[in-house]
Amino acid sequence: NAGVTQTPKFQVLKTGQSMTLQCAQDMNHNSMYWYRQDPGMGLRLIYYSASEGTTDKGEVPNGYNVSRLNKREFSLRLESAAPSQTSVYFCASTGKRNQPQHFGDGTRLSIL
Amino acid sequence: AQSVTQPDIHITVSEGASLELRCNYSYGATPYLFWYVQSPGQGLQLLLKYFSGDTLVQGIKGFEAEFKRSQSSFNLRKPSVHWSDAAEYFCAVGAAYGSSNTGKLIFGQGTTLQVKP
Repeated sequence: NAGVTQTPKFQVLKTGQSMTLQCAQDMNHNSMYWYRQDPGMGLRLIYYSASEGTTDKGEVPNGYNVSRLNKREFSLRLESAAPSQTSVYFCASTGKRNQPQHFGDGTRLSIL
Repeated sequence: AQSVTQPDIHITVSEGASLELRCNYSYGATPYLFWYVQSPGQGLQLLLKYFSGDTLVQGIKGFEAEFKRSQSSFNLRKPSVHWSDAAEYFCAVGAAYGSSNTGKLIFGQGTTLQVKP
């Protein structure tokens, strides 16, 4: 059971570079989420997609864009990376809105 | 404002001792609540959830939590801690019903549990 798969697991970027974080789930879930985790701040929602074809901003969307490519895949793009975006990024999904979210193992991103 | 507070950033307990991790929330709608655990370098694993009904819920690994609406709390407990319980624990809240139910969760800051031998 793969669940939620995130790629890459680690990445180092230089300031100003762009990259896309990939997320795929194989549980036929409708809703998908992107979070960032920083020490002492818990998880903060960047963007989410309540269903295929829709995306909405979360708590900290600035500097990011997302694409819900299909029901399985939800990508997060950093157009011009900044050191403040150094973080651990988690993707999650859920089938029903009052059910637990299932998390990937995270992408550890460092921006120099 | 909607928020989740975990007052204890770091807790140390001896192996075999009891554990209680605190979680307080502020939420306008009827909440549903979760506790997740995160081991180093890993994603979040669900320990237990409360949606409705019995306010004392049982989870995996011998954990339980009690929902107290009057105190806006959802504290996590375990009678006897094992060394393998050392991890970071997150409380989260979402909307249970209605138009405010987008599936979004608000997470607390996390509590790091250290277990002494």
